[in-house]
Amino acid sequence: SQELEQSPQSLIVQEGKNLTINCTSSKTLYGLYWYKQKYGEGLIFLMMLQKGGEEKSHEKITAKLDEKKQQSSLHITASQPSHAGIYLCGADTTGAQKLVFGQGTRLTINP
Amino acid sequence: DAGVIQSPRHEVTEMGQEVTLRCKPISGHNSLFWYRQTMMRGLELLIYFNNNVPIDDSGMPEDRFSAKMPNASFSTLKIQPSEPRDSAVYFCASSLAHQETQYFGPGTRLLVL
Repeated sequence: SQELEQSPQSLIVQEGKNLTINCTSSKTLYGLYWYKQKYGEGLIFLMMLQKGGEEKSHEKITAKLDEKKQQSSLHITASQPSHAGIYLCGADTTGAQKLVFGQGTRLTINP
Repeated sequence: DAGVIQSPRHEVTEMGQEVTLRCKPISGHNSLFWYRQTMMRGLELLIYFNNNVPIDDSGMPEDRFSAKMPNASFSTLKIQPSEPRDSAVYFCASSLAHQETQYFGPGTRLLVL
């Protein structure tokens, strides 16, 4: 969707390295959702952000929403092979729970 | 607890045939969403229901697509007649309430020959 731009489209990092994925909306967000998808499987919910400046962490993954509520980043510290997959951001720009998704970032972790 | 259940997981059919995809949301969830995922267009919302009532079907591509939710624990997405361009992975998701997190099923991979 052009409403939501995700970058990079693909990312290859060495195991143990840190990485960041970005998600930018052309509209103010009511909510921003991060999901992870493995090939042939459904989306696994990671985190939801709703407030400007909000930051959440789960294990080695941290997600932030900027103060203007138009940009979010997902940061992985000390990446592991288990982090490999496709990361998708989903944005609620209407408050009606209609999510628009980015094109996804394919993450590969090299041992 | 069981997550969102979808069936079948894989479907191969011939052009012109009717296809029915099924979804059982998480028990207690009152919002249900149908998405389609393709390489070209990514993940797109087709339709969503609140309390079994269709709220927004603006994402449904054509009249060939229809969705129903006869009760709180079951929904169907039907394509009649199917076309090769309908080949995609179809996901169902459910959430507890308005503006709550959506939980996705494993998807149905549809191939129309």
